[in-house]
Amino acid sequence: SAVISQKPSRDICQRGTSLTIQCQVDSQVTMMFWYRQQPGQSLTLIATANQGSEATYESGFVIDKFPISRPNLTFSTLTVSNMSPEDSSIYLCSVEGVAGVWETQYFGPGTRLLVL
Amino acid sequence: DAKTTQPPSMDCAEGRAANLPCNHSTISGNEYVYWYRQIHSQGPQYIIHGLKNNETNEMASLIITEDRKSSTLILPHATLRDTAVYYCIVRVNSGYALNFGKGTSLLVTP
Repeated sequence: SAVISQKPSRDICQRGTSLTIQCQVDSQVTMMFWYRQQPGQSLTLIATANQGSEATYESGFVIDKFPISRPNLTFSTLTVSNMSPEDSSIYLCSVEGVAGVWETQYFGPGTRLLVL
Repeated sequence: DAKTTQPPSMDCAEGRAANLPCNHSTISGNEYVYWYRQIHSQGPQYIIHGLKNNETNEMASLIITEDRKSSTLILPHATLRDTAVYYCIVRVNSGYALNFGKGTSLLVTP
């Protein structure tokens, strides 16, 4: 397994601003994923982030709105740009391929975002 | 990935076994069945997964029918801390994203 931390754990932001969420893993991982969970809803995949390549976005999510970086095998960031109240959600990162072992995905604790 | 169907909610008395069903009638031969749970305001927690054989670990047992069209997650002695939303997910292989449905909200009562 892996220990995953996210920063910030929660934030309240004004519309029109941007927030960068960090995901840090205690082991090298091959794949990292970013999910969004809107209030009362299930998780929806935003994008898949592999080190050394551009993130792959799901339908309905675009790079200009959710730019992602993956500079190394233990770290990734997701930026929520030009925020609106509709962006209020929990944002979660997950990882797979921990230290080269493929088993399942492990999730971080999430970042709770409220946009006013 | 195959679609799954779960009851929206279930109740279970503390100390009793919780049996959570999942239907995945369109599952393909190379798709695994995964179970995760999400306790309120936390990230999803991996529970167990299997291909066609029954599996057991320290958290739960997974029973997959012979035709693989349905499965049951068993929490042998439910506690109040098992109250959570349980997600049954079918996935082709490692390295792919998880397609979360609505899950089953399990309430364990004293």
